[in-house]
Amino acid sequence: EPEVTQTPSHQVTQMGQEVILRCVPISNHLYFYWYRQILGQKVEFLVSFYNNEISEKSEIFDDQFSVERPDGSNFTLKIRSTKLEDSAMYFCASRPGVMDNEQFFGPGTRLTVL
Amino acid sequence: SQKIEQNSEALNIQEGKTATLTCNYTNYSPAYLQWYRQDPGRGPVFLLLIRENEKEKRKERLKVTFDTTLKQSLFHITASQPADSATYLCALSASYNFNKFYFGSGTKLNVKP
Repeated sequence: EPEVTQTPSHQVTQMGQEVILRCVPISNHLYFYWYRQILGQKVEFLVSFYNNEISEKSEIFDDQFSVERPDGSNFTLKIRSTKLEDSAMYFCASRPGVMDNEQFFGPGTRLTVL
Repeated sequence: SQKIEQNSEALNIQEGKTATLTCNYTNYSPAYLQWYRQDPGRGPVFLLLIRENEKEKRKERLKVTFDTTLKQSLFHITASQPADSATYLCALSASYNFNKFYFGSGTKLNVKP
């Protein structure tokens, strides 16, 4: 069964460093999302992406964040200068199409900023 | 923005009983309301979706109701099993905009054998 994959599973970085979190959505899905979940808290929407551009972003998704779909299969989230409060689990999700509202989530990347 | 409330206290029930979880929201009624299951350290897994013009939806042992007047959805698991133990999340799309979803903080269900 097709699934969303994410790499790495765990990323440790120093404050101020740049990180890139990678996702491979399910093939033929059209909509892509990034969410984050701080330990013990709720899943928070970051950004959605469709047709090679951002559809919607939250107030969390400020200038230090960016997303890209560089090659038609990968979907990346870049955090330019990490802060301690960026430590969280980051989930990628994809959705098939306009009439399909089920989101398929990846296993997540745990980001630890020291 | 949309505010979603789920009971933050864990729900403990005996195997075989029906578990009922609540999701309340403020502001506008969403076009769609979804329920997800999340196990520790894992991504959410989609369970059911109900549309604003639907009162009830079923899938095997799962049932979801949607009351736009009360701004509430109820999620039922009948004949619960220990394997149903997990955190259950309610999620709403911004009305007719499936590009942004709001999640509740979830309710942890413990099913005891």
